[in-house]
Amino acid sequence: AQSVTQPDIHITVSEGASLELRCNYSYGATPYLFWYVQSPGQGLQLLLKYFSGDTLVQGIKGFEAEFKRSQSSFNLRKPSVHWSDAAEYFCAVAANNAGNMLTFGGGTRLMVKP
Amino acid sequence: GAGVSQTPSNKVTEKGKYVELRCDPISGHTALYWYRQSLGQGPEFLIYFQGTGAADDSGLPNDRFFAVRPEGSVSTLKIQRTERGDSAVYLCASSPQGTNTEAFFGQGTRLTVV
Repeated sequence: AQSVTQPDIHITVSEGASLELRCNYSYGATPYLFWYVQSPGQGLQLLLKYFSGDTLVQGIKGFEAEFKRSQSSFNLRKPSVHWSDAAEYFCAVAANNAGNMLTFGGGTRLMVKP
Repeated sequence: GAGVSQTPSNKVTEKGKYVELRCDPISGHTALYWYRQSLGQGPEFLIYFQGTGAADDSGLPNDRFFAVRPEGSVSTLKIQRTERGDSAVYLCASSPQGTNTEAFFGQGTRLTVV
């Protein structure tokens, strides 16, 4: 069975600073990998996904993530954070034949200082 | 509708009662998923429908939980003899098919068992 670890429960960054949210997964083969964002009162929104091919994936809202097989990681990055990026971020993994049957990490809550 | 709709948005019930949670997926989406998100945690997979049939119900915690999707569209998650530990946000998602596609999440039903 697959699992996902997000080591940082809370992260605070200043507006305009760069951001990296960590995600490590456990799965025996090449997984499908996802990052979702959840704002208060909002549903989960997909930021980006990796299925195959280029290991650097571009997403919405200026986010990107890099799949590193050797490190079993899929870290999320953004060069310059905006106050509106404050939210909860979830990394998720699916078995490569299981579509959207996702295993989520525990989430990282991002706070943005003015 | 434009997105996945879940009703009610909030439900408070007494311990031991029966509840039904409804999910209206995006029109035409054949795959439907239920997840449960407890406070401070990531969503946990419950059940996956492809059309009318439950393709995978391995995430249902026990036999008090049951879900149906009789016409391949609307789904109902049913919880019998509710317990305080069932309190959580129940999320529904749909996608055009099971693999290689984005799942769109509803805003969830917050269930509180008192």
